[in-house]
Amino acid sequence: GAGVSQSPSNKVTEKGKDVELRCDPISGHTALYWYRQSLGQGLEFLIYFQGNSAPDKSGLPSDRFSAERTGGSVSTLTIQRTQQEDSAVYLCASSPRGGQGVDEQYFGPGTRLTVT
Amino acid sequence: KNQVEQSPQSLIILEGKNCTLQCNYTVSPFSNLRWYKQDTGRGPVSLTIMTFSENTKSNGRYTATLDADTKQSSLHITASQLSDSASYICVVSAGEGYSTLTFGKGTMLLVSP
Repeated sequence: GAGVSQSPSNKVTEKGKDVELRCDPISGHTALYWYRQSLGQGLEFLIYFQGNSAPDKSGLPSDRFSAERTGGSVSTLTIQRTQQEDSAVYLCASSPRGGQGVDEQYFGPGTRLTVT
Repeated sequence: KNQVEQSPQSLIILEGKNCTLQCNYTVSPFSNLRWYKQDTGRGPVSLTIMTFSENTKSNGRYTATLDADTKQSSLHITASQLSDSASYICVVSAGEGYSTLTFGKGTMLLVSP
């Protein structure tokens, strides 16, 4: 079946511009997660959705970052006034139930963002 | 501070050989530990998930071990194949919300013919 998809796969933008990254989770998955992977660094948690609500957005690095999820499905991560330090691969994952425990997360291929 | 340290940072082995990757963590309270494989340009794919009560789990040629007392885990790859070339990431959950998932930086494995 279809996995998690993300678009665009690559995005180059000028410093100061806004960008929107899209994630299409696996159909029926309740939980959705955004992560950031910088060069040479481990994955960094950004935000977690359960349905359309975000019970944990503690990983968002600044108020320039926001995310929403609609219809319990598609999510968009928006970065306003991009900075060069925002350059990274942004990964989205979904899981069937969310919550605690050992719910398996399925990752998308990521969006590589480069801010020039 | 919760931390996950992986070693070695990178590793080159010959096809057909075995190897073991290490993960040490200082995450508390512990909920579960996961090993992921990440091919270049792709998202991570789960290999194993272990809770506190499990000390070994296998997935084909991959075997993970967990020692919750010493807070160490290992991932053993048997009879390596060229397709095993990837980054292997250790992730520990502290069990109190998703902001407490702590990721290691990964071990980059290259299997050489």
